[in-house]
Amino acid sequence: QKEVEQNSGPLSVPEGAIASLNCTYSDRGSQSFFWYRQYSGKSPELIMSIYSNGDKEDGRFTAQLNKASQYVSLLIRDSQPSDSATYLCAVKGAGTASKLTFGTGTRLQVTL
Amino acid sequence: GAVVSQHPSRVICKSGTSVKIECRSLDFQATTMFWYRQFPKQSLMLMATSNEGSKATYEQGVEKDKFLINHASLTLSTLTVTSAHPEDSSFYICSANVRGNYGYTFGSGTRLTVV
Repeated sequence: QKEVEQNSGPLSVPEGAIASLNCTYSDRGSQSFFWYRQYSGKSPELIMSIYSNGDKEDGRFTAQLNKASQYVSLLIRDSQPSDSATYLCAVKGAGTASKLTFGTGTRLQVTL
Repeated sequence: GAVVSQHPSRVICKSGTSVKIECRSLDFQATTMFWYRQFPKQSLMLMATSNEGSKATYEQGVEKDKFLINHASLTLSTLTVTSAHPEDSSFYICSANVRGNYGYTFGSGTRLTVV
């Protein structure tokens, strides 16, 4: 079983729709969860971080965490063509210097 | 915010030569630096973790004698790919853990092509 699992996609949504990206993780001791966006040929950029159960909203983005189900998701409202990218879920264990473990990423395509 | 400057952004080298990649934290002290490698259409794979002033910790399957990591100061970490071969061609990215912060800042990446 992979430590962090994501559906590779592509996930295709029309412009203006809600894109829903999902991620599951295997380590119950994981403490911090991150969503990164990566455009082709570029390094990842942080979209959201979430540390406690529930929802966290930032603009058009909402991260959801359910530690009991070991599940974290990212919702993108009013999807724009510029949102087309690969979204990487990353999970961090306990300790401030623990490494991040990445999922394989979900490729999102926002169509006109 | 915390910025990590990574150089070079692109490098093409001949097989058998060595290449050095630098990552500098510009406005914070990076106690820990992570080095990743990403092949096309794959996710980031952690190669090694370096801590300032100590030896790097390499992930399983990563040759420490081939990928030399130096983290001599709180603002500079380097990765040297020694005796590079075409299979080492990849996108190398560094990431720093900001002291006292759970966040991770990524460098802009280095595209290495070995011909």
